[in-house]
Amino acid sequence: QITLKESGPKLVKPTQTLTLTCTFSGFSLSNSGVGVGWIRQTPGKALEWLALIYWNDDKRYSPSLKSRLTITKDSSKNEVVLTMTDMNPVDTATYFCAHRRGIAASGHNWFDPWGQGTLVTVSP
Amino acid sequence: QPVLTQPPSSSASPGESARLTCTLPSDINVGDCNIYWYQQKPGSPPKYLLYYYSDSDMGRGSGVPSRFSGSKDASANTGILLISGLQSEDEADYYCMIWPINVIFGGGTKVTVL
Repeated sequence: QITLKESGPKLVKPTQTLTLTCTFSGFSLSNSGVGVGWIRQTPGKALEWLALIYWNDDKRYSPSLKSRLTITKDSSKNEVVLTMTDMNPVDTATYFCAHRRGIAASGHNWFDPWGQGTLVTVSP
Repeated sequence: QPVLTQPPSSSASPGESARLTCTLPSDINVGDCNIYWYQQKPGSPPKYLLYYYSDSDMGRGSGVPSRFSGSKDASANTGILLISGLQSEDEADYYCMIWPINVIFGGGTKVTVL
């Protein structure tokens, strides 16, 4: 059974850097084809993809947030870390990490399952 | 501002069908895309439902009932989620997603079971 859990600060101040950790079980990020992504959901319930890291350390970022994001992995600890710099109140959201599933031969990729999410509030 | 357009709400009575749409921007051809659908209930993360590319290339997530199905309307550049035999437990938010190069979500549709 695959599970993921997000952890990190619940409150950050504007301009600070947010660091979130995704701790997972039930799969290994050392195995070919495996990936972990981060997605956030605003209070208005819009979903926004942030970043993705693959087993081979290939990293992908949302073009609109790329300059502020860094995603890393520690396969030995079953952890993926996302950092987001220069936090702003509009970054207030619930942040999810999710396991990337795919069918390589047909180019299918989706997120399943997702962690429960962690609410991050940006406020002075 | 989500790039994929979903109507904010939809409602139907138990036993009826709900047809949810996901319209792609004009520069992305729905015929070239895998459309993914998620269901989210209050207090829970999104749950993967299914993907649809064509009638011969589609798949549901583990445990997802067959009354959830996908299709496309190429003339409207739209992906469609059909929920047949609507049940009270289907009341939730539904999101579409595509992943041509980067991941793009729709704004979500809230389904109310009357």
